[in-house]
Amino acid sequence: DAGVTQTPRHEVAEKGQTIILKCEPVSGHNDLFWYRQTKIQGLELLSYFRSKSLMEDGGAFKDRFKAEMLNSSFSTLKIQPTEPKDSAVYLCASSPLGGRGYEQYFGPGTRLTVL
Amino acid sequence: GDKVKQSPSALSLQEGTNSALRCNFSIAATTVQWFLQNPRGSLINLFYLVPGTKENGRLKSTFNSKESYSTLHIRDAQLEDSGTYFCAAPYGGLSGKLTFGEGTQVTVIS
Repeated sequence: DAGVTQTPRHEVAEKGQTIILKCEPVSGHNDLFWYRQTKIQGLELLSYFRSKSLMEDGGAFKDRFKAEMLNSSFSTLKIQPTEPKDSAVYLCASSPLGGRGYEQYFGPGTRLTVL
Repeated sequence: GDKVKQSPSALSLQEGTNSALRCNFSIAATTVQWFLQNPRGSLINLFYLVPGTKENGRLKSTFNSKESYSTLHIRDAQLEDSGTYFCAAPYGGLSGKLTFGEGTQVTVIS
């Protein structure tokens, strides 16, 4: 079975650009999560989908971050416009059936550098 | 953040020795997950636990929901065990969202 896939693995952007990160969850999984990881803040939840419906879009990140899930097997995270402070690893995870206590599986992440 | 506290924050282990990592919860955790983030940055699933104990090779984990903690034991540490270990628990009603600890950075030395 394929795990969670993310593309690209690395992205370098100039300040002010628009970038789109992609994620394919494990086939059949119901919940999809976008996280951001930095050394200072650790792992922070950006967005959370259940059955393609947006459940949470991470308050502080609403401004320039938009996650979408157009079908059950694909999600995007758009950052517009990018700022240097957005440099981080962006992780996507999926979980089988949703609800409390289901195991999450992570993709390899996209390392974003904003110059 | 504060909902899940991991200790120690960093650990240096001699190859072949044993150690334990701990995760304390201030939330009513019903399950816990342990991950290893390897030097390439991938988060590898180690354990998914309901209250009780699981073992996998040289790793063993226990989750005590009544006392709100979980432990991860590393036996006979090997160089490939190096990385950052995270514990996480779900929070927020029926949400599948996880809250993560800050991680324990483990370095195994020969």
